[in-house]
Amino acid sequence: EVQLVESGGGLVQPGGSLRLSCAGSGFSFSSYEMNWVRQAPGKGLEWVSSISSSGRTIYYADSVKGRFTISRDNTKNSLYLQMNSLRAEDTAVYYCARPRTPNYGSYDYWGQGTLVTVSS
Amino acid sequence: DIQMTQSPSTLSASVGDRVTITCRASQSINSWLAWYQQKPGKAPKLLIYKASSLESGVPSRFSGSGSGTEFTLTISSLQPEDFATYYCQQYDSYSRTFGQGTKVEIK
Repeated sequence: EVQLVESGGGLVQPGGSLRLSCAGSGFSFSSYEMNWVRQAPGKGLEWVSSISSSGRTIYYADSVKGRFTISRDNTKNSLYLQMNSLRAEDTAVYYCARPRTPNYGSYDYWGQGTLVTVSS
Repeated sequence: DIQMTQSPSTLSASVGDRVTITCRASQSINSWLAWYQQKPGKAPKLLIYKASSLESGVPSRFSGSGSGTEFTLTISSLQPEDFATYYCQQYDSYSRTFGQGTKVEIK
């Protein structure tokens, strides 16, 4: 069974940093592109970042470019999101998501989400 | 970036109704469009991929159509468990933008 489990969320002050993790199991993690998607309280879904299976190709939404860094460790079946210079508008539930085909596509598996709250 | 616009934002309907949600892209995305259902406190669930392909395990009352810039999600006979928020997502470009969502409410 495919599982994605996020961790690392919490309360952080504006300007602070946080590192999210996503542990994948039940599939060949190293073969799949992986993604982060967030959802602010009461708002819609926002794609945040993608990383190719090898880690060599990375994309970011303009809203996080220069502040967030996506990475992965295929030996640990894990995906990460390093979030720096956090702002109140980064408050959201952060989901990791897997595409239904290894290289690209719609997201057939999602984690349960981890809540990040940026507040003083 | 490609912008995705859904309509309506909210839809009131009754059990058994036929429901249609529209999603428009700011430029052609061919058929690289997905539809998701989300219930409160839960992760989104994939319903439709590549504009019209039904994800495994999704009831056949859900269907998708369209290509280019205009797409629709249709629920042929609304069931109680279908009251939720629905999102479209384009994956034609690296920036996988979502629509703003359509909330389907009980009339």
